[in-house]
Amino acid sequence: QVQLQQSGPGLVKPSQTLSLTCAISGDSVSSNSAAWNWIRQSPSRGLEWLGRTYYRSKWYRGYAVSVKSRITINPDTSKNQFSLQLNSVTPEDTAVYYCTTKENDYWGQGTLVTVSS
Amino acid sequence: QSVLTQPPSVSGTPGQRVTISCSGSSSNIGSNTVNWYQQLPGTAPKLLIYKNNQRPSGVPDRFSDSRSGTSASLAISGLQSEDEADYYCAAWDGSLNGWVFGGGTKLTVL
Repeated sequence: QVQLQQSGPGLVKPSQTLSLTCAISGDSVSSNSAAWNWIRQSPSRGLEWLGRTYYRSKWYRGYAVSVKSRITINPDTSKNQFSLQLNSVTPEDTAVYYCTTKENDYWGQGTLVTVSS
Repeated sequence: QSVLTQPPSVSGTPGQRVTISCSGSSSNIGSNTVNWYQQLPGTAPKLLIYKNNQRPSGVPDRFSDSRSGTSASLAISGLQSEDEADYYCAAWDGSLNGWVFGGGTKLTVL
């Protein structure tokens, strides 16, 4: 049974960087059969996949076109976790952010991130 | 504007059978399996159905899905009051190289 525990601030100022972390238990971030996603949900955009990272002899990352220029997802093997960084945020980035497993079968608890000055 | 299309709402009475449709394209539903999620207010979506009508442990067999071409449907039989929730479909999109979701369907049990 995989468990995902999210952490990070709930308030970010416009133009700054949103940073969230997802700690994994019950699996390894470096597993050759796993992948790790970030998804967000807002009333205006619904559920939106942001990107993923996974390890297949080397690290791979894939990002949604809508955020590709602003997003970085990184693994942290020493802490068995992965992170999301979203740069140059605007109020449009206000949403509940979730980390999920490869098939979105397990979800973190969600973090409401509000972008406001 | 979600990539997968779902009806905004459906309703039914206790004991009834309801279906929720999900329409996509050849790059998502037409070539990959569909997942269905149930979301209760204030909680994360919960996986209901995956990989061609498979149910995670604990999900009753009142929930089932089917697929035809570029569309899928979630069926809920023996409707219960606790089924009142938002339901989402999702699939991997090979053209976008990412997961795509439906806009969600609110199920009301009358």
